Amino acid sequence: DQQVKQNSPSLSVQEGRISILNCDYTNSMFDYFLWYKKYPAEGPTFLISISSIKDKNEDGRFTVFLNKSAKHLSLHIVPSQPGDSAVYFCAASPEYEKLTFGTGTRLTIIP
Amino acid sequence: DSGVTQTPKHLITATGQRVTLRCSPRSGDLSVYWYQQSLDQGLQFLIQYYNGEERAKGNILERFSAQQFPDLHSELNLSSLELGDSALYFCASSSSRTGGEKLFFGSGTQLSVL
Repeated sequence: DQQVKQNSPSLSVQEGRISILNCDYTNSMFDYFLWYKKYPAEGPTFLISISSIKDKNEDGRFTVFLNKSAKHLSLHIVPSQPGDSAVYFCAASPEYEKLTFGTGTRLTIIP
Repeated sequence: DSGVTQTPKHLITATGQRVTLRCSPRSGDLSVYWYQQSLDQGLQFLIQYYNGEERAKGNILERFSAQQFPDLHSELNLSSLELGDSALYFCASSSSRTGGEKLFFGSGTQLSVL
């Protein structure tokens, strides 16, 4: 039972353009959402988070949007840079308890 | 460098065998988590320890067990290995009991069961 779904296994975006990564969840108890980024041969690293009391959180080039009614989360990266090429995992948790991760989206930024 | 150390980085073994994966958390972190990433799967939560005690259990098989020692390092034991156990096993640590806030991950142990 995949409670957090990333339906796009891969995404290619031109350098300088916007990258939009999507994530859907099914568990209505989830109220805390995070994005992690993973480079090859490394563990995932935290990127940005949002709690259910907000619908947007920004950190530099990265913005996460939350649509609770649609149970949908998205990560916007603008402008996209070659160093952003990585696998991105979304994760969710109820009341800050254990995280449930999606399957990841491999983002490739084309120079 | 996340500060979380996992050893070994790679492990190749045969079906039916038993292996031990080791994790040293970031200095000061009391919580250790184990995750499994199989091909085309997300990170599946296996188990969490907090200050030596098991705190939460996820999709961990009965053939798998873990413990956290007084010095806070943790070991994940996998026994009666099957081909399907081949995966990347991550350890993560955090400073609190709950796992919802950001975790710090090690670089993983790639297990190949032949």
